[in-house]
Amino acid sequence: GDSVTQTEGLVTLTEGLPVMLNCTYQTIYSNPFLFWYVQHLNESPRLLLKSFTDNKRTEHQGFHATLHKSSSSFHLQKSSAQLSDSALYYCAHMGYKLTFGTGTSLLVDP
Amino acid sequence: EAGVTQSPRYAVLQEGQAVSFWCDPISGHDTLYWYQQPRDQGPQLLVYFRDEAVIDNSQLPSDRFSAVRPKGTNSTLKIQSAKQGDTATYLCASSLRDNYAEQFFGPGTRLTVL
Repeated sequence: GDSVTQTEGLVTLTEGLPVMLNCTYQTIYSNPFLFWYVQHLNESPRLLLKSFTDNKRTEHQGFHATLHKSSSSFHLQKSSAQLSDSALYYCAHMGYKLTFGTGTSLLVDP
Repeated sequence: EAGVTQSPRYAVLQEGQAVSFWCDPISGHDTLYWYQQPRDQGPQLLVYFRDEAVIDNSQLPSDRFSAVRPKGTNSTLKIQSAKQGDTATYLCASSLRDNYAEQFFGPGTRLTVL
């Protein structure tokens, strides 16, 4: 079945530094559809980005990601972290259902 | 526009007790999902409906869990005899029919089974 791998459980960095959260996936579908959801403390997941177009950068709220079918990746990036970015970030793939990764907790320090 | 609403927000049970969770999706969304999110894990799909029909319940522990959406609007998820391993947040989400449509999540019900 489909799977999504997020290798970092926790990423800690200083405000102003760049962010990169890794996401790779496995799927039988030739046209994968990838999402990034963000979940702040005591809140529900909220869609941050989505893409099904190979090699096209998608951006929202300062974050960006590019789906690369060649490497089965959809890494999340931001040029400069803010304190308010501290949250859980989930990568997810839509096959016949939405399959979530285990999540990466991003902690931004002042 | 109102989002997905769920109740109760919290529940604490002893093992063996029953509990029901209620979800009201966004108006006009024909697809409704129930997810289980154990602590420190991503949401895992339990069951989803399109209108009143169950499309996939393969991950629902059928001996103790049940879910209904009788009129294709609100939905109820019930645990008949709770176990400690059921401790998790139960999230309801809704979307439009298109598989590429965004799923909107409710606030969740945080269940603790003692």
